[in-house]
Amino acid sequence: GAVVSQHPSRVICKSGTSVKIECRSLDFQATTMFWYRQFPKQSLMLMATSNEGSKATYEQGVEKDKFLINHASLTLSTLTVTSAHPEDSSFYICSAPGRKETQYFGPGTRLLVL
Amino acid sequence: LAKTTQPISMDSYEGQEVNITCSHNNIATNDYITWYQQFPSQGPRFIIQGYKTKVTNEVASLFIPADRKSSTLSLPRVSLSDTAVYYCLVGPFSGGYNKLIFGAGTRLAVHP
Repeated sequence: GAVVSQHPSRVICKSGTSVKIECRSLDFQATTMFWYRQFPKQSLMLMATSNEGSKATYEQGVEKDKFLINHASLTLSTLTVTSAHPEDSSFYICSAPGRKETQYFGPGTRLLVL
Repeated sequence: LAKTTQPISMDSYEGQEVNITCSHNNIATNDYITWYQQFPSQGPRFIIQGYKTKVTNEVASLFIPADRKSSTLSLPRVSLSDTAVYYCLVGPFSGGYNKLIFGAGTRLAVHP
């Protein structure tokens, strides 16, 4: 079946640095991908919709200059957390549309900002 | 998107059938009902989707009454590995291109 991968699976960085997270569709093309953030014991919160060849669409309250999204190819979307701070520590998950009205989710990336 | 209401948590024992009900009173005519499962530190996994009546696959069954204002996810003979959070989502899915809005979900704990 279709698979979405994410890299890295976990990352630790210092406050003020930038971190890039990759989301790949492994055996299918995805012109659209979604990025979510999930804090401990909470639900997934949609951050933005990544569109291949055009600007991402951000949800209300999500800073587009802080969370840079680039969808450079039909199989890759990247999320860059710029000038990360401890409050950005979270679980970041991407997804891509699949067949039969569903979305396929990546395994997630655990970000810890010290 | 239709708002959904699910129990925050449920407990069960191995071998039992678990039914999780989701209320979606404002469901629209073109809305589908989809359930996802999420284990700790993993992305959600699609379980089942339906529009009306009953849908069954190798993992679960989904019961949807005629008015479609609620739905019930049925997990037969649960095991410890079914301990997870289950999300009910309602929306006009179009090949998965519509954004998904997750509610709080139901945290299911299966005990030995």
